[in-house]
Amino acid sequence: QVQLVQSGAEVKKPGASVKVSCKASGYTFSRFAIHWVRQAPGQRLEWMGWINAGKGHTKYSQKFQGRVTITRDTSAGTAYMELSSLRSEDTALYYCTRLYDIDAFDIWGQGTLVTVSS
Amino acid sequence: SYELTQPPSVSVSPGQTARITCSGDALPKQYGYWYQQKPGQAPVLLIYKDTERPSGIPERFSGSSSGTTVTLTISGVQAEDEADYYCQSADSSATYVFGTGTKVTVL
Repeated sequence: QVQLVQSGAEVKKPGASVKVSCKASGYTFSRFAIHWVRQAPGQRLEWMGWINAGKGHTKYSQKFQGRVTITRDTSAGTAYMELSSLRSEDTALYYCTRLYDIDAFDIWGQGTLVTVSS
Repeated sequence: SYELTQPPSVSVSPGQTARITCSGDALPKQYGYWYQQKPGQAPVLLIYKDTERPSGIPERFSGSSSGTTVTLTISGVQAEDEADYYCQSADSSATYVFGTGTKVTVL
């Protein structure tokens, strides 16, 4: 079964960092890019960046440039998204998703809730 | 930065047709994609490359493209189609973007 399984919910203080994992199964991890998308409560989907799971190349949204780092461990079939200098506005559900060969996001993780609160 | 604009809401009676538009300057050169999101769930792919429907998606969902606008059409709307809908595209530098989102209400 093709799926992405994300790590559990996190509560962080302002200024801290958070690292969310996304474990792939049921397909060859290195064949497809992994993207990260977040959704603040009641808000739209917001694209954050992506990683070429095979070569490790990354690209980030300008909005998060300098604060977000996406990495992967091919031996573990897992991608990671780290967001630093957290503020209350970063409270959101963070999703990983696979960009399939039809250039569409065909499978999604279950989402990881990150809450930033003092 | 690249933006995709959708109407905030669309209301439709059961059995009628709902049309959701998505406008963006790069759409004449880039494909549009559509996702459905129900409360508490991850998005689901409905339409890819403007008009293509993945297997398992009902035929009542269709997509079209004209100029700077892509459109999602839901024919014969059912109560279960009440959800948020997002368009998505990318620019030539592999930067991706989602639309502003449209809430579909089935009356």
